Amino acid sequence: SQELEQSPQSLIVQEGKNLTINCTSSKTLYGLYWYKQKYGEGLIFLMMLQKGGEEKSHEKITAKLDEKKQQSSLHITASQPSHAGIYLCGADMGGGADGLTFGKGTHLIIQP
Amino acid sequence: EAGVAQSPRYKIIEKRQSVAFWCNPISGHATLYWYQQILGQGPKLLIQFQNNGVVDDSQLPKDRFSAERLKGVDSTLKIQPAKLEDSAVYLCASSLDRHLAGANVLTFGAGSRLTVL
Repeated sequence: SQELEQSPQSLIVQEGKNLTINCTSSKTLYGLYWYKQKYGEGLIFLMMLQKGGEEKSHEKITAKLDEKKQQSSLHITASQPSHAGIYLCGADMGGGADGLTFGKGTHLIIQP
Repeated sequence: EAGVAQSPRYKIIEKRQSVAFWCNPISGHATLYWYQQILGQGPKLLIQFQNNGVVDDSQLPKDRFSAERLKGVDSTLKIQPAKLEDSAVYLCASSLDRHLAGANVLTFGAGSRLTVL
């Protein structure tokens, strides 16, 4: 079974609209990392969340980690074409620096 | 600063042939990872190095995959013989020493796309 579940799998949003992507784990996470991937390219680091209830923002993207540290959301405000891509959540499941476990990703398409 | 370099970007081979991928991490990054990303899936960790030692290779199919980082800098991932199901993007990532804060912030290369026919 998938340790990290992302939803939705894909999302089509009209330019200028807001959207939210979710990432859920059945286990308590030691850290949650959001990455963005464009087709045919590597992953670009967006944000890291480590504390329960933590929230971080960068430009129009806000990420939150719930108090139980089992669920995270990524919210994009006033979406733009540059936001299109695949968003992946990665988690530190073990508490050590032993690499990240990734979800399957959410494919975001922005319609003009 | 220069990013994580990978080559080749694309490779097409027939099943049972061999292939090798090369990765040069960010200067000063002690930890290096190889991930396999099959189309439509998230990246799956194959192997993690700390300097020239293996930290975790539990998900590396050792009957056909091998990886080395002899001098603790660049690394090579080899597949021999390749199977159809090995078609994927092979991503290399690096990070600070795993004992330091921020060690789980990985910087990824652009990946090497393998097609096995």
